[in-house]
Amino acid sequence: DIQMTQSPSSLSASVGDRVTITCRASQSISSYLNWYQQKPGKAPNLLIYAASSLQSGVPSRFSGSGSGTDFTLTISSLQPEDFATYYCQQSAITPYSFGQGTKLEIK
Amino acid sequence: EVQLVESGGGLVQPGGSLRLSCAASGFTVSSNYMSWVRQAPGKGLEWVSVIYSGGSTYYADSVMGRFTISRDNSKNTLYLQMNSLRAEDTAVYYCARWSAGGGYDAFDIWGQGTMVTVSS
Repeated sequence: DIQMTQSPSSLSASVGDRVTITCRASQSISSYLNWYQQKPGKAPNLLIYAASSLQSGVPSRFSGSGSGTDFTLTISSLQPEDFATYYCQQSAITPYSFGQGTKLEIK
Repeated sequence: EVQLVESGGGLVQPGGSLRLSCAASGFTVSSNYMSWVRQAPGKGLEWVSVIYSGGSTYYADSVMGRFTISRDNSKNTLYLQMNSLRAEDTAVYYCARWSAGGGYDAFDIWGQGTMVTVSS
């Protein structure tokens, strides 16, 4: 099975900051990497698919990069509504594993 | 409107069974890949199962042999039959559409989730 490891597990930042979250796969997954945002009590929401493609309706301050085993999610200028938990997920092969999550909190 | 609505969650004793339903609107379940994903209280997301448009099914090792994913095309509904339930199956269960093709392989539509609690 492919293991997905995110870092950091939690992050404190301020509105307007640029933040980066990292996701590493235990083996190469090409660009089969997605990012989701989840707010408390809500279902996850797809932000980025295929490592770097922005899902329709998602603000352009979100971007993704990487291929192979190392990936990043960047938020260029944090907005109040961005404070949430972020998950990476590999879609290369079953089981379609998720990272453990990164909780982004207000500083 | 494209939407998924889960139902069927509740409190069940260890060793018991429960069937979750996920009613879809705005698209056809049988033409898509459909999955169940769960989230234990305070924990991360765990993929549980998928049914492909052709009917093939796959499961996480943690539920293999106990859970069965299926669909009813006439009702445009996805199901998860859960047997031999354990305390560690306690979670919010989400159904999700898996959109695949053209470089797109991701869960793009999610239901609101249904809570399953396994406890005596």
